[in-house]
Amino acid sequence: KAGVTQTPRYLIKTRGQQVTLSCSPISGHRSVSWYQQTPGQGLQFLFEYFSETQRNKGNFPGRFSGRQFSNSRSEMNVSTLELGDSALYLCASSSGTANYGYTFGSGTRLTVV
Amino acid sequence: DQQVKQNSPSLSVQEGRISILNCDYTNSMFDYFLWYKKYPAEGPTFLISISSIKDKNEDGRFTVFLNKSAKHLSLHIVPSQPGDSAVYFCAASEATSGTYKYIFGTGTRLKVLA
Repeated sequence: KAGVTQTPRYLIKTRGQQVTLSCSPISGHRSVSWYQQTPGQGLQFLFEYFSETQRNKGNFPGRFSGRQFSNSRSEMNVSTLELGDSALYLCASSSGTANYGYTFGSGTRLTVV
Repeated sequence: DQQVKQNSPSLSVQEGRISILNCDYTNSMFDYFLWYKKYPAEGPTFLISISSIKDKNEDGRFTVFLNKSAKHLSLHIVPSQPGDSAVYFCAASEATSGTYKYIFGTGTRLKVLA
């Protein structure tokens, strides 16, 4: 089984720009969750998509949005980037119907300058 | 409001000794707990889990203990090996309408000294 694929691995953007990150979950998994990891803050939950619908949402501003396609691939978008958005963004794949935890991708390292 | 807390940002242990990583939570509705290990430049990988109906789960060198009354769980690694050096995250979930959202702690960096 192929793992969770996140692209790109690294990104450098300028303040005010917008960025789109992509995640392809494990084949057959219908749930994709996104997390932001920053030093000292651990993994902060952004949102979860299941069968193309946002099912859970964390406490992030509206600049952070996402979507999921019919093939379960998901994209996350951040608009009007701020310096504080620099982080590792992790995508997590699960069946979405059983409490067995996640399989994570390797993440996208976003640096905002 | 940090519902899952790992109060020790780092821990150093000698090779062969026991590593004990701790995690506290505040939400009594959490019913499933997991530990993940993360190496630099990689995503977290699942290590071990425990349901709230149990108080102990063991998998090889790794054992997780759950104390529901204290809202506390711990991960024991025996014996510790240099390859165990990584950041360890605990996570908790609550089943809500058939969905599961995992809340993670801030992580503990374990360093196993050879």
